[in-house]
Amino acid sequence: DVKVTQSSRYLVKRTGEKVFLECVQDMDHENMFWYRQDPGLGLRLIYFSYDVKMKEKGDIPEGYSVSREKKERFSLILESASTNQTSMYLCASSPGRSRLGSGETQYFGPGTRLLVL
Amino acid sequence: GESVGLHLPTLSVQEGDNSIINCAYSNSASDYFIWYKQESGKGPQFIIDIRSNMDKRQGQRVTVLLNKTVKHLSLQIAATQPGDSAVYFCAENGNSGGGADGLTFGKGTHLIIQP
Repeated sequence: DVKVTQSSRYLVKRTGEKVFLECVQDMDHENMFWYRQDPGLGLRLIYFSYDVKMKEKGDIPEGYSVSREKKERFSLILESASTNQTSMYLCASSPGRSRLGSGETQYFGPGTRLLVL
Repeated sequence: GESVGLHLPTLSVQEGDNSIINCAYSNSASDYFIWYKQESGKGPQFIIDIRSNMDKRQGQRVTVLLNKTVKHLSLQIAATQPGDSAVYFCAENGNSGGGADGLTFGKGTHLIIQP
């Protein structure tokens, strides 16, 4: 089974703090994604990565950055946390070998619920 | 803009009945669809997927139907159980962020199982 883990289930941080959210997958997947999930807004893509040291902006990258130094690990960084970044953060991965057809299942981690005070 | 949407935000069914959850999509270029289940406090869990060259696909107690003519996707759950209570949302691969492997997600339907 695919396993995607996230470093924390719950986090409480103060405004202005630097926050690191870690995600690890154990299936040698090439693609990794960070989303945030808010009531009424669904899942919104923050950043994604197709390969080590590679990153692409998603729909809402402002206020976030990412790092992918190793294939299995994708980190989301809030440089200076703000209250509007209080949310559920979800990491996902997919195999990345979709050359035979577009679209692949993404497998999600359990989520990190972040509260910024 | 093009988006994936759901007809009902909440669906309440009796335990043992069948459930049908609907999803409308507007991007005719989408050719891959997924249903996810998300229980409270957990991440989304893959249930079943379907490609556009199929109209129907069955899993264990679940069936996904795809009607490309009206751009409609549905998830049928047979003999619902208390453990089926969750938010269900669909995803498509058309017009999405995340490049070729990206997905666009619907906002979800909350399925409530009445005893």
